[in-house]
Amino acid sequence: NAGVTQTPKFQVLKTGQSMTLQCAQDMNHEYMSWYRQDPGMGLRLIHYSVGAGITDQGEVPNGYNVSRSTTEDFPLRLLSAAPSQTSVYFCASSPRTGTKNQPQHFGDGTRLSIL
Amino acid sequence: DQQVKQNSPSLSVQEGRISILNCDYTNSMFDYFLWYKKYPAEGPTFLISISSIKDKNEDGRFTVFLNKSAKHLSLHIVPSQPGDSAVYFCAALPAGGTSYGKLTFGQGTILTVHP
Repeated sequence: NAGVTQTPKFQVLKTGQSMTLQCAQDMNHEYMSWYRQDPGMGLRLIHYSVGAGITDQGEVPNGYNVSRSTTEDFPLRLLSAAPSQTSVYFCASSPRTGTKNQPQHFGDGTRLSIL
Repeated sequence: DQQVKQNSPSLSVQEGRISILNCDYTNSMFDYFLWYKKYPAEGPTFLISISSIKDKNEDGRFTVFLNKSAKHLSLHIVPSQPGDSAVYFCAALPAGGTSYGKLTFGQGTILTVHP
């Protein structure tokens, strides 16, 4: 099983450029999330989705857009890249169940550098 | 405002000994806590969790303890093995049915287990 697949694995951008980080999961999970990991700060939630057509902001949403047109895909768009967005980005998914006993599954991350 | 804190950036232990990783939280709305393990160039993987209605959960070599009054949890690894060397993240979920996609992470603790 592929699980959660993120592409690309590495990307270098110039300030002001835009790009989309792709995330796909093949587990039919309703919940999907985007996090960024920065040194000394752990992972911080950018945006999340509880199902197709439903998204909401997390802790650090500024400069990022998301949409969820299908259950499988949850792309993250950088509208105008800034050096402060240099980070490692992780996508995660989890099933919608009656309990919280279903942890999130993470992709292997996209390492993004903004020059 | 760091709602989940791991105040020890790193921990070094000898193989066979106990590793104790600590985590503190400030938000009383958190009612479910998880530990994730992360190797370099990989995404976090779920290790163990605990509900706020319990004070201990055990899974093989891993035990998580929760002290709600102190807003403190800890992960015990006994015995520690070199393969346990990784970054460990504490994470928390708020109460509520749509909270599954909204993990709040600590900064992480780098565990090194020496042979």
